[in-house]
Order: sequence, then structure tokens, then C-alpha cells
Amino acid sequence: GDSVTQMEGPVTLSEEAFLTINCTYTATGYPSLFWYVQYPGEGLQLLLKATKADDKGSNKGFEATYRKETTSFHLEKGSVQVSDSAVYFCALGAGGTSYGKLTFGQGTILTVHP
Amino acid sequence: KAGVTQTPRYLIKTRGQQVTLSCSPISGHRSVSWYQQTPGQGLQFLFEYFSETQRNKGNFPGRFSGRQFSNSRSEMNVSTLELGDSALYLCASSLEGSTEAFFGQGTRLTVV
Repeated sequence: GDSVTQMEGPVTLSEEAFLTINCTYTATGYPSLFWYVQYPGEGLQLLLKATKADDKGSNKGFEATYRKETTSFHLEKGSVQVSDSAVYFCALGAGGTSYGKLTFGQGTILTVHP
Repeated sequence: KAGVTQTPRYLIKTRGQQVTLSCSPISGHRSVSWYQQTPGQGLQFLFEYFSETQRNKGNFPGRFSGRQFSNSRSEMNVSTLELGDSALYLCASSLEGSTEAFFGQGTRLTVV
């Protein structure tokens, strides 16, 4: 079945450091890929998405490129802020008859210190 | 445009009781999905409804059920609550044919 693997966490960085959170997936066909962010006590917010190979999703300084050859969708940000502290989830949507189902990675806790 | 609304935000129930959670999707979204989030198991898909029909179901016992109304609002019910049902329950809505899901803030259920 479909699966998503995220890098082991948590990740602790200083403000303005470079961020990479690795995400690899296993799926049949051509899934859509997503990064969601969850702040304490909140639901999930869609951060960015990519729907086909080589697409780059970007939002709020975060970027991720859909790499089919390496089945990866790594999240990057050039300069993190304290306000980026949250839990980040990589997810895939297989579409087709997988109605409404997103498969999530285990989440990566990011803490940014001033 | 209003987002996905879940009520209530917090619930405390006793083992053996049942509970009903509610979700109002974004206007125009007819697909509603439910997820359970726990520290140990992460985010797990419960089921999805579209036009009042369940189209997809995750690997949960029959104690977990749901329904959708003609206005696309959805409810999920958990009967005979167990301590292990304590979790954040998240609802998400989508446009037909889209895999992009928009989540509500969740209902935090605590079973004591």
C-alpha cells in the first residue's frame, strides 16, 4: 500500500538557519504530494502541494519539488523564523478510488530558537 | 469564505459511552473525510463521504461510524468508548475529484 516516510525528528534550529525535512513515499500511479503544518492545539494547514513530477510547490518561503525518480518531496526553507516552530507532515493523495484518503508521514517537530 | 468547522472543540466522556462529533465543510465542498490523530499512531484515515454515501473506509472497528447530510455536513459517532479512543479527531473537506484537503481545527476527545 501507499506509505510516506519522514526524517526522524525533532529538528532544532537557530533563527535564520537553513531547513530541510526529508520525505520519501511509496505509491502506485501518480499521487499528489502535500506538506501540511500543525501549530499547537490546531488542525492541519496546507503549506504547499505538487501534483505531478518536477512540479515545485512553494509558500511563505517554503519549497518542495516532486521528484519521481527518487520518490521524494523534501521540504526546504532558506531562513527559518521562530514563528515556523510547528509540526510538519508530508502526505500523499493517491486519487482515483482512494476517495478522500491522504496518507501521512509521522510528522517532524521543528523548534526554532531566537 | 468560512473554513471547515468542527464542533465541539473539546469533549470528555466516560468509557462505555458514545459520542457524536460534527463537521461543516467549506461551502461547495461535497467530500468530507475524517481522521484520528494520536501520538502513537499519528494521523489515520477513518472514512470519507460524498453525496451522503460512504465511498472509502479505513481500518477501524465498527464502533466508528459516520454519516453525511444533504447539505454536506457530516457527523461521526463512536460507540462503546474505550480509553484508546482518546485522540484529536480531524475533519477535512475537498472539492469533487480533488486530493487537496482542507482541515478543521479538530475535536479533542478524552475518554476517562
